[in-house]
Amino acid sequence: SQTIHQWPATLVQPVGSPLSLECTVEGTSNPNLYWYRQAAGRGLQLLFYSVGIGQISSEVPQNLSASRPQDRQFILSSKKLLLSDSGFYLCASRTGDQPQHFGDGTRLSIL
Amino acid sequence: GDSVTQMEGPVTLSEEAFLTINCTYTATGYPSLFWYVQYPGEGLQLLLKATKADDKGSNKGFEATYRKETTSFHLEKGSVQVSDSAVYFCARTSGNTPLVFGKGTRLSVIA
Repeated sequence: SQTIHQWPATLVQPVGSPLSLECTVEGTSNPNLYWYRQAAGRGLQLLFYSVGIGQISSEVPQNLSASRPQDRQFILSSKKLLLSDSGFYLCASRTGDQPQHFGDGTRLSIL
Repeated sequence: GDSVTQMEGPVTLSEEAFLTINCTYTATGYPSLFWYVQYPGEGLQLLLKATKADDKGSNKGFEATYRKETTSFHLEKGSVQVSDSAVYFCARTSGNTPLVFGKGTRLSVIA
């Protein structure tokens, strides 16, 4: 079965600093990949998804971007973080008809 | 568009009580339905799923039945434990589309 690795697990960044969160997937090929954000005490918001290398769909306009340089690598970035970017970021992967699987998440705090 | 509505939390129960968390979905297409669980500080784990009408998903004592006539997928457990305390998310997907989640229901079980 597939395994999703996210790092770092926790990150504290100042306002205006850049961001790079990485997600890699093992145990599958050509997955669909997803980035979600979960604000404190709230539900999941889909940020980006990708059906293949270099293919990114953005669900909401915001201060973030995503890239997929390799089949099983998905990166979430920002050039300048805002206070509102704080939250719990989850990477997910899905292959074929299988359910989506999630990584353990990155908790991002902006100061 | 596609959406999922689940009951607002938090839900607080005593150990061994019966649990129901309601979930309804929009009836577009023929979605697959899921329940995910998120334990404190962790990512989401698939709890159970159902892919067609009248299917019953079950895992760890939890059950949910895909009811097309009422567009519902309510989560039930006959006797909850303290270790079941978590946030539960209902979700749907059709074909290759990303999962659409409900807002989550926080369950607290007290001894």
